[in-house]
Parts: sequence; structure tokens; C-alpha cells
Amino acid sequence: EAGVAQSPRYKIIEKRQSVAFWCNPISGHATLYWYQQILGQGPKLLIQFQNNGVVDDSQLPKDRFSAERLKGVDSTLKIQPAKLEDSAVYLCASSLAGALDEQFFGPGTRLTVL
Amino acid sequence: KQEVTQIPAALSVPEGENLVLNCSFTDSAIYNLQWFRQDPGKGLTSLLLIQSSQREQTSGRLNASLDKSSGRSTLYIAASQPGDSATYLCAVSDRDNYGQNFVFGPGTRLSVLP
Repeated sequence: EAGVAQSPRYKIIEKRQSVAFWCNPISGHATLYWYQQILGQGPKLLIQFQNNGVVDDSQLPKDRFSAERLKGVDSTLKIQPAKLEDSAVYLCASSLAGALDEQFFGPGTRLTVL
Repeated sequence: KQEVTQIPAALSVPEGENLVLNCSFTDSAIYNLQWFRQDPGKGLTSLLLIQSSQREQTSGRLNASLDKSSGRSTLYIAASQPGDSATYLCAVSDRDNYGQNFVFGPGTRLSVLP
């Protein structure tokens, strides 16, 4: 069974530029999550999708971050414009149905904002 | 607001020792608790998932227990090996004012010395 795929693996941009990350969850998983992990900390949930609907985006900085999952499968997370403090690893995870199910994580995208 | 802590922050042990990692959470109304392993520069690998109705789960040399009423979980690793060196994170799934919520601890960085 293929795992969660993410791209790119690494991205370096200058502040005020835009960036987008892509995630393809495990086939058949209805729930998709985006997390931000700052060095030395645990991941922080940014947004959770159930199929193509948003379940929770309370911790997403909506003035600069956006995410979509139009067809209920792949998802993109965008940052526009980026700030220095956005430097982190962005992790995508999926689970079969929701809160009671095991989460499976992708390898992450390491973003450096200069 | 749910808060998750992990003690110790870092641990170094000689190969072959049995060890215990601790995870504490402030709100006992959780759906489940999951333990993960994270290798440097990699995503998270799920180790064990304990539902709120369960008291423990076992997988190979790993045993995780859950005491929901006291807000604690422990991860026991038997006969540690150098390959167990990684950061171990726990995460709880619960519900807040915005919906489903997933909160991670900061992790315990484990080094097993040959």
C-alpha cells in the first residue's frame, strides 16, 4: 500500500514570496490533515479536511495561508506572502475516516524562508 | 485548551536497557492517544494507537498504556537497540470549540548507545 506522498521535499524562498505544497493521501482515506512543525517542537495542526470539506481550520493563519482539497483526494497548502517565521516542516497526514482512526504521515516539506 | 507534555525531553541509555517515556495531557476527554516515532529529517511513523476505552496496546518490544482519568500515558521499550534512537511523540485526539482537535507533545529525543 502506497503511503502519503508530498512534494516538494525541500523549498527555499525569500520573504514575501509565495509557495505551495502538494499532498496525496493514502487511497481511500477520507480525512486529510496539514501540520506545521517548527524545529524542536511537536507538529501543530493547521487544517483538517473530511473529503473535500473543512472540519477544523482554527489554527490556520488565514491572512496568508490557504488550503484546498477540491476533489476530496489531493490537497494543496499555499503561503502568500511568506514570513521568516514560516520556516518549518509542513507535514501532511491522512486517516481512514476521522478522529478515531490512526494517522499516517508523509515525509514532509522543509521550508526555509530567507 | 488541551496541552500535552512529555518527560524527559531527552534520554540517553546503553543498549539493552528497558526504558519508559512519559506523556501527560490536561483534558481527559480524549478519543484516543497515538505514539509516533520521528527520525531526523523524516516524517512521523505511527507506533501504537490506544482508544479511550482501552488501557494498553502492544507491538513487539513496545507497550503503551493509557490512564485517561489521570491524564497519563507511558511508552515502554524493552531491550533497547541503537536503531530505536529517534524522537518519540505522543498525540491526543479530542474535541474543542471548533471541532475535532489533535494535539502533539514536544517529544522525547532518545539515544541508545551501542
